[in-house]
Amino acid sequence: KQEVTQIPAALSVPEGENLVLNCSFTDSAIYNLQWFRQDPGKGLTSLLLIQSSQREQTSGRLNASLDKSSGRSTLYIAASQPGDSATYLCAVIDDYKLSFGAGTTVTVRA
Amino acid sequence: EAGVVQSPRYKIIEKKQPVAFWCNPISGHNTLYWYLQNLGQGPELLIRYENEEAVDDSQLPKDRFSAERLKGVDSTLKIQPAELGDSAVYLCASSFFQQDEQFFGPGTRLTVL
Repeated sequence: KQEVTQIPAALSVPEGENLVLNCSFTDSAIYNLQWFRQDPGKGLTSLLLIQSSQREQTSGRLNASLDKSSGRSTLYIAASQPGDSATYLCAVIDDYKLSFGAGTTVTVRA
Repeated sequence: EAGVVQSPRYKIIEKKQPVAFWCNPISGHNTLYWYLQNLGQGPELLIRYENEEAVDDSQLPKDRFSAERLKGVDSTLKIQPAELGDSAVYLCASSFFQQDEQFFGPGTRLTVL
């Protein structure tokens, strides 16, 4: 069974600092990996999708890397802003099933 | 383009009562998912549809949960009877095809008293 872990569970940084969010998974035979953002009381917003053949994906201030062999993905958010405060979840797809981590809750202090 | 639509957004019921959630996926998306999310945890898959066929319902508690996706478009998830432990957020998601990027609705927050 695929296990997805996100450490730390919570993170607080001052505005302007770069954010580094980690995700690890136990079974490297994944099809793709997806990063989501979840605001309190809201659904999940897709941020980035990385195919298993890719090493990284970029969108604006966001950059996600994928190392399948080591079972790790990292989401980088450059020059953080208070509006980036949310919970960030990673999820892997293998065998048609999306397995989620518990998320990292980020607070960006103004 | 409209996103995934879910209703109701909130539901409060007493235990042993029935409840139903509705989901309308993004137009053209063949795959529809229902997830359950408990506080502080990631979503867990309940059921996955390919068009109108339930292709993975292994995590659906079939003694009290049921789902349908008539005509392969919108879907309904039902709980009967509800238990206290069913209090959670029920999320619907869709994708163009299996293993593709998934898009989520706002969820239905269920409280069972």
